[in-house]
Amino acid sequence: EPEVTQTPSHQVTQMGQEVILRCVPISNHLYFYWYRQILGQKVEFLVSFYNNEISEKSEIFDDQFSVERPDGSNFTLKIRSTKLEDSAMYFCARDRGDTDTQYFGPGTRLTVL
Amino acid sequence: EDQVTQSPEALRLQEGESSSLNCSYTVSGLRGLFWYRQDPGKGPEFLFTLYSAGEEKEKERLKATLTKKESFLHITAPKPEDSATYLCAVTTSGTYKYIFGTGTRLKVLA
Repeated sequence: EPEVTQTPSHQVTQMGQEVILRCVPISNHLYFYWYRQILGQKVEFLVSFYNNEISEKSEIFDDQFSVERPDGSNFTLKIRSTKLEDSAMYFCARDRGDTDTQYFGPGTRLTVL
Repeated sequence: EDQVTQSPEALRLQEGESSSLNCSYTVSGLRGLFWYRQDPGKGPEFLFTLYSAGEEKEKERLKATLTKKESFLHITAPKPEDSATYLCAVTTSGTYKYIFGTGTRLKVLA
């Protein structure tokens, strides 16, 4: 299975700044997901996105987070006002919709100073 | 609350020394159980999907099995390149999100 691409690979930002993380999935995939993994901790679900709408979100995904598919290809996760505790690896994942198997991108390491 | 627990947290094996990793789950309505391999600083790499008790899947030195309460990832005659963190995740009825365990860090010594 081909992988998704994520950009940037590493993002350093100051606390309070906005960041946009990007995921470029294969075009025939319908379901997209964002997860995060704080260093040394487990992978945590943030949000799922189907047919250009949020289908499910976790309690972590509060008002400072948003997702979009602005141009029909890239899939973005925006954090409006970053906090120190947002420092983590952020993974985009996708599946085709005919299986439950999700394929993960390489991740974006976000460092908030 | 749905929960996934993996054991042991860490495991050191000599090359060729077979062993098993455990993933126990407490969920309301399991729909699927998934095993992933994660190398440091990288995204989870898909290994297996299991849907029903009694199901088994194999790939090279790895074999995954599923019961109604847990799953095992058996590693036969491991090699140093099998060193990684192995993650277990589940989905439940009515949702497509994954619930992950904390993983087992495997180190295989030459």
